[in-house]
Amino acid sequence: AQTVTQSQPEMSVQEAETVTLSCTYDTSESDYYLFWYKQPPSRQMILVIRQEAYKQQNATENRFSVNFQKAAKSFSLKISDSQLGDAAMYFCAYERSRAAGNKLTFGGGTRVLVKP
Amino acid sequence: DSGVTQTPKHLITATGQRVTLRCSPRSGDLSVYWYQQSLDQGLQFLIQYYNGEERAKGNILERFSAQQFPDLHSELNLSSLELGDSALYFCASSDDPVGTQYFGPGTRLLVL
Repeated sequence: AQTVTQSQPEMSVQEAETVTLSCTYDTSESDYYLFWYKQPPSRQMILVIRQEAYKQQNATENRFSVNFQKAAKSFSLKISDSQLGDAAMYFCAYERSRAAGNKLTFGGGTRVLVKP
Repeated sequence: DSGVTQTPKHLITATGQRVTLRCSPRSGDLSVYWYQQSLDQGLQFLIQYYNGEERAKGNILERFSAQQFPDLHSELNLSSLELGDSALYFCASSDDPVGTQYFGPGTRLLVL
C-alpha cells in the first residue's frame, strides 16, 4: 500500500521569507500524481499544486513550487515570499494514475506559521 | 470556492443515531469521493463513485454507506453513530476517474 510521510509537524517562517516543506512517499508504481493541498483555519481543502510523475519538470504555481525527486520518492513544497495568508496546514497527497479506482493518500500534514 | 457544495455544514447528534450528508459535485464532474478527517486517523478515503457506480472503497465502516444519484449528487449515510465518528467529512469531485480532486467545505459531525 502507498504511504505518504510528512516529517515536519510544524514549520515557522518570517513574512516574505521562504519555507520548504518535506514529503516522502512509498510506491511501487511508475505512473502517479502528487499534490499539495492547503487547509487554512476555515478547514477548506484547497489545491495548491499538482505534479505528474512522468514529467521531469517541476511544477510551479506563482509563489509555490515543488522539487520532485522521483528516484528518491521525494516531493517537497517551497513557498516563496511567504504571506500571512499562507498560514495553514499543508498536506502532501499521492494518487495512482489510470487506476480502476482512485483515492488520495494523504500525509499527516505540516502546520505552517507565518510571523509578521 | 471549489464549486463543490456540502450540506449541512455542521451536525450535532447523539450516539446510536443516523445522519445523511449530502454533496453536489462541480458542474460536469462525474466522480465523487468521500473522505473523513479526524484527529487520530488524519485524512482517510472512504469511497468513490463515478457516474452512479461505486468505483473504489477505502476504510469505510459497514455502518456507513453512500450512493450517487442520476443527477450526480451523492449522499453519505452514517448509522449507529459512535463517539469516534465525530469528524470532518469531505466530499470531493473530479471530471474523470483519475482527475484532480476538488474539495467541498466539509460537514463537521459531532456525536455526543
